[in-house]
Amino acid sequence: SAVISQKPSRDICQRGTSLTIQCQVDSQVTMMFWYRQQPGQSLTLIATANQGSEATYESGFVIDKFPISRPNLTFSTLTVSNMSPEDSSIYLCSGGENEQFFGPGTRLTVL
Amino acid sequence: RKEVEQDPGPFNVPEGATVAFNCTYSNSASQSFFWYRQDCRKEPKLLMSVYSSGNEDGRFTAQLNRASQYISLLIRDSKLSDSATYLCVVIGQGGSEKLVFGKGTKLTVNP
Repeated sequence: SAVISQKPSRDICQRGTSLTIQCQVDSQVTMMFWYRQQPGQSLTLIATANQGSEATYESGFVIDKFPISRPNLTFSTLTVSNMSPEDSSIYLCSGGENEQFFGPGTRLTVL
Repeated sequence: RKEVEQDPGPFNVPEGATVAFNCTYSNSASQSFFWYRQDCRKEPKLLMSVYSSGNEDGRFTAQLNRASQYISLLIRDSKLSDSATYLCVVIGQGGSEKLVFGKGTKLTVNP
């Protein structure tokens, strides 16, 4: 298994600002993903974080809004840019090989 | 048809009951299957992988029927601590390694 940590655990941000969320895995993993989860809803995949190349985004998510870095096999960042209240959500990262393990999430509130 | 569909629930059962969750997936090329549980305001945690031969872990039994594209999870002798949302997850839709989540089934075990 892999142990995933995320920071910050929560933040309250002003409209128009940006927040970068960090995801650290305790071992090298091939696959890392970023998700968003609204209260009472299931997880929505934002993108696959690819090591050494641009992230692969799902429909409805674009690089300008959610730039992602993956400099190595244990670390990734997701930035939520030019935030609006609609971006308020829980953001989760996962990492692993076939089995994916999740970080504790970042609870973002945009005022 | 949704990629991964689950019983909508919610399920309310007494302690000691046996409860079964079902899940269907749309893409016959899917390769890997999992059940995750998610507690309120927490990240999803891997409960068990689902193998073609079926697998059992204590009170939990998972089965896969590839011909019917159907996955099940059986919980015997339910405990209060089993109360959570159970997520059916499939990998390999369309050759991708990304996880596709069902919307989840909420279980409440009552004393």
